[in-house]
Amino acid sequence: AQTVTQSQPEMSVQEAETVTLSCTYDTSESDYYLFWYKQPPSRQMILVIRQEAYKQQNATENRFSVNFQKAAKSFSLKISDSQLGDAAMYFCAYRSASGSARQLTFGSGTQLTVLP
Amino acid sequence: DAGITQSPRHKVTETGTPVTLRCHQTENHRYMYWYRQDPGHGLRLIHYSYGVKDTDKGEVSDGYSVSRSKTEDFLLTLESATSSQTSVYFCAISENWGRSSGNTIYFGEGSWLTVV
Repeated sequence: AQTVTQSQPEMSVQEAETVTLSCTYDTSESDYYLFWYKQPPSRQMILVIRQEAYKQQNATENRFSVNFQKAAKSFSLKISDSQLGDAAMYFCAYRSASGSARQLTFGSGTQLTVLP
Repeated sequence: DAGITQSPRHKVTETGTPVTLRCHQTENHRYMYWYRQDPGHGLRLIHYSYGVKDTDKGEVSDGYSVSRSKTEDFLLTLESATSSQTSVYFCAISENWGRSSGNTIYFGEGSWLTVV
């Protein structure tokens, strides 16, 4: 079974600065997908960014980018020019490319605080 | 935003009573999931469905059952609610598997269930 670990329960960043959230995962599979979801106080789960394991290029979405290290099984999220609206719980998630379920397996989350 | 509606959004019920949560989608997606979210655990999979009348268990399925008689509806039933089932429940959907689909899972807004 796959596991996802987020070792930073809480982090803080100054507005306009850059912050990196860490995620590691354990799998024996070679084909899979990785995601970062944002959960603001409303509890809505919002997709931030997605990475396909078969792609070497790191995904980027505006101020959000990832550092995907497949051999190290590491998938960190970098938020540039942090804004107050970025404050939320961030979840790293893994999705297998095989099996009938293909469900997401989540880490325990990192609570990000943005300081004005 | 993906067309996912969860009902009820909030419910308080007594221990031992049956409870059914409904997830309705307008996207005609094949895969549907029920997750629960508890502090320190991220989101954990309860049950999932990969087609009409095709369902299976997730990692925390004890005390829960599901049904999917139509593509658009996925019901989660607590046969006899217990206080340990107090949680936030999320429905999620995903379209057919394939590289072009993006393989992203989209979430509903959550249902807050309190068992007293």
